[in-house]
Amino acid sequence: AQKVTQAQTEISVVEKEDVTLDCVYETRDTTYYLFWYKQPPSGELVFLIRRNSFDEQNEISGRYSWNFQKSTSSFNFTITASQVVDSAVYFCALITTIKAAGNKLTFGGGTRVLVKP
Amino acid sequence: EAQVTQNPRYLITVTGKKLTVTCSQNMNHEYMSWYRQDPGLGLRQIYYSMNVEVTDKGDVPEGYKVSRKEKRNFPLILESPSPNQTSLYFCASSWGRGQPQHFGDGTRLSIL
Repeated sequence: AQKVTQAQTEISVVEKEDVTLDCVYETRDTTYYLFWYKQPPSGELVFLIRRNSFDEQNEISGRYSWNFQKSTSSFNFTITASQVVDSAVYFCALITTIKAAGNKLTFGGGTRVLVKP
Repeated sequence: EAQVTQNPRYLITVTGKKLTVTCSQNMNHEYMSWYRQDPGLGLRQIYYSMNVEVTDKGDVPEGYKVSRKEKRNFPLILESPSPNQTSLYFCASSWGRGQPQHFGDGTRLSIL
């Protein structure tokens, strides 16, 4: 069975501060994919990034960066110089490639980020 | 524009009155899924489909039906809705198992 844990339920920062969201996952499968999604106050789910289990390169996209460490089963997400528009709930998710898992995304509980002006 | 479209966006209805939430995608994706999102329980998969006429249960299928007669459409059917099905529902599609799932805007259902 798969499990994704986001220990931080809510983080509050002041604009321009950096914020790091933690994600720890569990799976017995050797091939899997990790994702981050953003859910703004309007409610939709927006895909941010996908990473496969064989690629441990960190990634940067604008103010967003991701740190994947297989040794600690973590896939952390950092927002640099946060802005009010970053206020949202962020979900980490996992999917494996074994047939029995279907195409189910296993989500973490989410971290609510509040960026104050 | 590539998108997943769900309808209706909001619905308030009563126990026992059959309803259908439609989902359509224009990306020619093979895979489609339904999820529900509940406070404290997070996002859970209800049903999924890996191709036309191929559907299977997710984690919480009880009380729901789905069909996949065409590649682009994947409706969610509540034959006899009950209050415990009050939730925010999302349809998603992707072209492969490990590929990003693209979500619709969500349907908020209230069953009284």
